[in-house]
Amino acid sequence: EVQVVESGGGLVQPGGSLRLSCAASGFSFSNYKFHWVRQAPGKGLEWFSYIFTDGTTINYADSVRGRFTISRDNAQNSLYLQMNSLRAEDTAVYYCARESGIDCAFDLWGQGTLVTVSS
Amino acid sequence: QSALTQPASVSGSPGQSITISCTGTSSDVGSYNLVSWYQQHPGKAPKLLIYQVTKRPSGVSNRFSGSKSGNTASLTISGLQAEDEAHYYCCSYGGPRTLYIFGTGTDVTVL
Repeated sequence: EVQVVESGGGLVQPGGSLRLSCAASGFSFSNYKFHWVRQAPGKGLEWFSYIFTDGTTINYADSVRGRFTISRDNAQNSLYLQMNSLRAEDTAVYYCARESGIDCAFDLWGQGTLVTVSS
Repeated sequence: QSALTQPASVSGSPGQSITISCTGTSSDVGSYNLVSWYQQHPGKAPKLLIYQVTKRPSGVSNRFSGSKSGNTASLTISGLQAEDEAHYYCCSYGGPRTLYIFGTGTDVTVL
């Protein structure tokens, strides 16, 4: 089955760190650019990071730049997100999303993992 | 970069057609034919409905169609069905600095 599954979410205090993972299966992971998109409770979608197929090109939205780090391990078919200096406004469901090859066309999403930043 | 502007809610009766707008600027929607639309049911992941303004992925009903005029893109749902009740989001490429922008989201209600 073609799928991606996120994990690693949970409750963390402000200023803390968390590492999310996204495990891919059923397709050739190394052929696709991947993104992280988040959704705060009751709010809309927010794109914030991508990584190219070989991991050499990476970008971030201003809201997370300098605090979050995206990475991937093509041998392990996995995408990662290291989140540091977490803030209350980072509370959201975090989705990994596969890009079809067309900008803004995310054709495969995981079920999401909830990150709650609270003391 | 601000989110693209969508109406908060749109409603229609079964069988009717509705249109959801997505308004950006000349730097994003107006500059690139890279607008996508997503459907999201409560508690579920988004699903790609339309990409590159008008194209439908395999398996998506032809009741969903997209268009664009100037800085505004639109999603039309024809033959409205109860299962279409969901949240809908647009997404546009905004160039090398802004990258990707989602819309504010529209809640579709089937009366």
